[in-house]
Amino acid sequence: KNEVEQSPQNLTAQEGEFITINCSYSVGISALHWLQQHPGGGIVSLFMLSSGKKKHGRLIATINIQEKHSSLHITASHPRDSAVYICAVRGSNFGNEKLTFGTGTRLTIIP
Amino acid sequence: DSGVTQTPKHLITATGQRVTLRCSPRSGDLSVYWYQQSLDQGLQFLIQYYNGEERAKGNILERFSAQQFPDLHSELNLSSLELGDSALYFCASSVGFSLGTEAFFGQGTRLTVV
Repeated sequence: KNEVEQSPQNLTAQEGEFITINCSYSVGISALHWLQQHPGGGIVSLFMLSSGKKKHGRLIATINIQEKHSSLHITASHPRDSAVYICAVRGSNFGNEKLTFGTGTRLTIIP
Repeated sequence: DSGVTQTPKHLITATGQRVTLRCSPRSGDLSVYWYQQSLDQGLQFLIQYYNGEERAKGNILERFSAQQFPDLHSELNLSSLELGDSALYFCASSVGFSLGTEAFFGQGTRLTVV
């Protein structure tokens, strides 16, 4: 079993729909990252969370440390949101900067 | 533009060869991280350097090595290349020890081993 599991693996939705991508992890963490990877391959960091909730524009990320679960939400989805979304966790030991990545969720938004 | 520069963008080479990938971090960033993204393994952390010193090591093969130079740019050396080394190699940089909220990634080097 992977330390970081994402669901769904693939998601296709109509423009305007509310999107939720889930990430579950099985290890103690100090932080969780959400990354976006566009078809060209470039990676953009969306959020880093250690507790609670963060919002940036139409993107919202939440984390529940007790349940070892995080969600990424996209409101009013748009075709330009089509990308692979990757969850990554950082170990809880100081100095353990190794990130462990989920396998990603491929999101396609249809106009 | 993240400010992290990776060269080359694409590299095609034969099995058994050696290549060097280069990463220039954002101005002021002291940490450089290397990641490998292959089709079957997804993204994996390889190694981190902070201010010239190795700080953390991940799933980096013995055939691979890296270093960070006094000007803070970093190179990832891959030798005795195998077909399975074909992947996207990313670097990222940050000011401090950790890849924080503002994590900046390069565009990646796509390595194809034939």
